Amino acid sequence: GDSVTQTEGPVTVSESESLIINCTYSATSIAYPNLFWYVRYPGEGLQLLLKVITAGQKGSSRGFEATYNKETTSFHLQKASVQESDSAVYYCALGGPGGYKVVFGSGTRLLVSP
Amino acid sequence: DMKVTQMPRYLIKRMGENVLLECGQDMSHETMYWYRQDPGLGLQLIYISYDVDSNSEGDIPKGYRVSRKKREHFSLILDSAKTNQTSVYFCASSLSWGKGQNTLYFGAGTRLSVL
Repeated sequence: GDSVTQTEGPVTVSESESLIINCTYSATSIAYPNLFWYVRYPGEGLQLLLKVITAGQKGSSRGFEATYNKETTSFHLQKASVQESDSAVYYCALGGPGGYKVVFGSGTRLLVSP
Repeated sequence: DMKVTQMPRYLIKRMGENVLLECGQDMSHETMYWYRQDPGLGLQLIYISYDVDSNSEGDIPKGYRVSRKKREHFSLILDSAKTNQTSVYFCASSLSWGKGQNTLYFGAGTRLSVL
């Protein structure tokens, strides 16, 4: 089946340090999966951070980047310099382009210390 | 304002009681979803609604039912709640099904405890 595996948290990083959260996927029933990163800040619902629909392309938002790598079936989330306000839970997800159901990873809690 | 609102945010029920979780959205989205999340697991899809009175089971529908009588409102019902239904429940919506509009908009979640 379709599945997403991501770094198990919590991940603790000091402010201004770099970050990588790993995400790998398996898309057995979706020919051309779209890949997503969602973020959940405390007390809020998940919100889309970035989305990439084409293999080989990179998405970016709020200083975060992720590249859709079809060869390694990966979509790692990176940021060069984190801020305390980036503390949240990050979810990697995949879905079909036609609005197929979206499959989520278990989430990675990021804690950024000042 | 683009928003998905869930009520209540926290709920404690006894085993065997009925539970109603409510979700509303103000974006006129066609498609709405109910997910649950348990520790260490990803969000699991309970039900999808494609529009009013057009609902489909997700991956874990057993023990749940849904109701969608208005496009902006989607309810999740637990008849005779069980302790293993203790979880965080998320409602989400997306613009439409099958038209490439697969970005989900989420509510803040309802934390349900069944004792």
